[in-house]
Amino acid sequence: DAGVIQSPRHEVTEMGQEVTLRCKPISGHDYLFWYRQTMMRGLELLIYFNNNVPIDDSGMPEDRFSAKMPNASFSTLKIQPSEPRDSAVYFCASSLVGGRGEENEQFFGPGTRLTVL
Amino acid sequence: GQQLNQSPQSMFIQEGEDVSMNCTSSSIFNTWLWYKQEPGEGPVLLIALYKAGELTSNGRLTAQFGITRKDSFLNISASIPSDVGIYFCAGHANTGKLIFGQGTTLQVKP
Repeated sequence: DAGVIQSPRHEVTEMGQEVTLRCKPISGHDYLFWYRQTMMRGLELLIYFNNNVPIDDSGMPEDRFSAKMPNASFSTLKIQPSEPRDSAVYFCASSLVGGRGEENEQFFGPGTRLTVL
Repeated sequence: GQQLNQSPQSMFIQEGEDVSMNCTSSSIFNTWLWYKQEPGEGPVLLIALYKAGELTSNGRLTAQFGITRKDSFLNISASIPSDVGIYFCAGHANTGKLIFGQGTTLQVKP
């Protein structure tokens, strides 16, 4: 398996522009997570989905952030409008429902490094 | 909310030395995970622990799930330069979310 795939790997944009990050989870995984990583705040969970349905979006910073999962193999995280403080590395992760707790084993993508000027 | 305290924050050791890091929490967790992150990459799962008292090894890595379910440690024996990276603990308490520690940055001097 190719693992979790994210695109783009790097994104540089100007303040006010719309940014869309993409994720393809591992085939067969039921859970998908979006994280943000910064030096100051570490890894923060933004939102997660189970079977394409958003379960908890309490980590989404504000209304400028939105996430969708139209099918089991694709998810997007959108920031509109973007601001310099959104600069961070955004990770997507997926996991598989299991009977022993394996659903807690999350596998991360390589991340998208976002810079908002 | 739930928080994990991971220590030490950073370590600078000589190649061949053993390394130990740990995580503690005021809350009980049902699963403990240890990840390693290298520059420019996402965290990679090293070891998963599911039962209190469980001791699991993965090559030179050994991790244990504390009896109280509020702590876990990771040991690396005979460190080598490629062990360099940031190590994260993560706990799961059936809330649907993983709670991550702040990370331990490991540097190994050849």
